[in-house]
Amino acid sequence: GAVVSQHPSRVICKSGTSVKIECRSLDFQATTMFWYRQFPKQSLMLMATSNEGSKATYEQGVEKDKFLINHASLTLSTLTVTSAHPEDSSFYICSASPHSGGTTDTQYFGPGTRLTVL
Amino acid sequence: AQTVTQSQPEMSVQEAETVTLSCTYDTSESDYYLFWYKQPPSRQMILVIRQEAYKQQNATENRFSVNFQKAAKSFSLKISDSQLGDAAMYFCAFLQGAQKLVFGQGTRLTINP
Repeated sequence: GAVVSQHPSRVICKSGTSVKIECRSLDFQATTMFWYRQFPKQSLMLMATSNEGSKATYEQGVEKDKFLINHASLTLSTLTVTSAHPEDSSFYICSASPHSGGTTDTQYFGPGTRLTVL
Repeated sequence: AQTVTQSQPEMSVQEAETVTLSCTYDTSESDYYLFWYKQPPSRQMILVIRQEAYKQQNATENRFSVNFQKAAKSFSLKISDSQLGDAAMYFCAFLQGAQKLVFGQGTRLTINP
């Protein structure tokens, strides 16, 4: 149980284009989903917290107009990197917490998406 | 603000031996959760073990167990009978209330055959 999927796993795009990454909780409903960025050999950096039916909460320094987050249902959140540039190349990971049950405090992670911007 | 410190950037252990990964944290709260996550080369973050601070009993999951010392704010992970598949980055993490998950810097564990 508690499986989270991400799509795509890898994406290469040209500079200036937009890329959408999907995060789905497959066997549970998640009121809250999280988006992280991870640089090589570093820990995860929280970008934003996505709440179903409301606006996302962005961490300090994260441009909300560049990283658009939509959490339209209890099983799906999307991250759109708009007008991507090479410096946006990174590994993006989502996570989700069950909205009921005994482990609402626990985040389950997707497999990540490697974004390369040329 | 809460902080999590993993003082061992790298650790190695012989296959079938036992290894302990250290983690300390700083908080003024009394109710919180602690986690160990494993990130193998695939980069999929996998939950290894979870501890609720109000529980005195140390959490155990098969070969993985923790030594939770609340007063010392220490949360170490012990891996018994190490296997090659245990090789990964291990992250200690802290969660209090509805706040964000705070990660340590990670410890890279190598298993020597």
